[in-house]
Amino acid sequence: AQKVTQAQTEISVVEKEDVTLDCVYETRDTTYYLFWYKQPPSGELVFLIRRNSFDEQNEISGRYSWNFQKSTSSFNFTITASQVVDSAVYFCALSVSGSRLTFGEGTQLTVNP
Amino acid sequence: DTGVSQNPRHKITKRGQNVTFRCDPISEHNRLYWYRQTLGQGPEFLTYFQNEAQLEKSRLLSDRFSAERPKGSFSTLEIQRTEQGDSAMYLCASSPTAPTGNQPQHFGDGTRLSIL
Repeated sequence: AQKVTQAQTEISVVEKEDVTLDCVYETRDTTYYLFWYKQPPSGELVFLIRRNSFDEQNEISGRYSWNFQKSTSSFNFTITASQVVDSAVYFCALSVSGSRLTFGEGTQLTVNP
Repeated sequence: DTGVSQNPRHKITKRGQNVTFRCDPISEHNRLYWYRQTLGQGPEFLTYFQNEAQLEKSRLLSDRFSAERPKGSFSTLEIQRTEQGDSAMYLCASSPTAPTGNQPQHFGDGTRLSIL
């Protein structure tokens, strides 16, 4: 069985602070895919990034960066210089079979002006 | 490029009634997924289709739930004899099939179901 744990239920920061959202996953499969989604107050889940288990190279996209470490089964997400528009619920998800996504419970990020 | 479309956005019904939701995926996507999300939780997988074939169903999908995708395009999710516990946001997602690897799933805005 697969499991995703996002231990931080809520995080509150002041604008321009850096913030890291933690994600720990469990799977016995050697081939798997990890994802991050953003769910703003409007409700639609927005895809941010996909990573496969064979590619541990970290990735940066603008103010967003992701740190994938197989040794600790973690796939953490950092927002640099946070902005109010970053306020949302962020979900980490895992897929092993090419079908279902297993989501964590999400982290509510609030960025205050 | 239109996204995943779900109708209706909101549905309020009395306990015991039947409800049906519709999902129109992104046109070139042959995979379609249904999830359920309750307040404060992450989405939970219900079922998925590859074209018109329903390939996987979660144990969450009781016999009161049925999903179809008759022509491999839009899909419907029906809940019969609704119960209070069915109140949730029902999310639809679609993705293309890739030769290798999982393609990201793109989600619609969801249908929020409230059972009175």
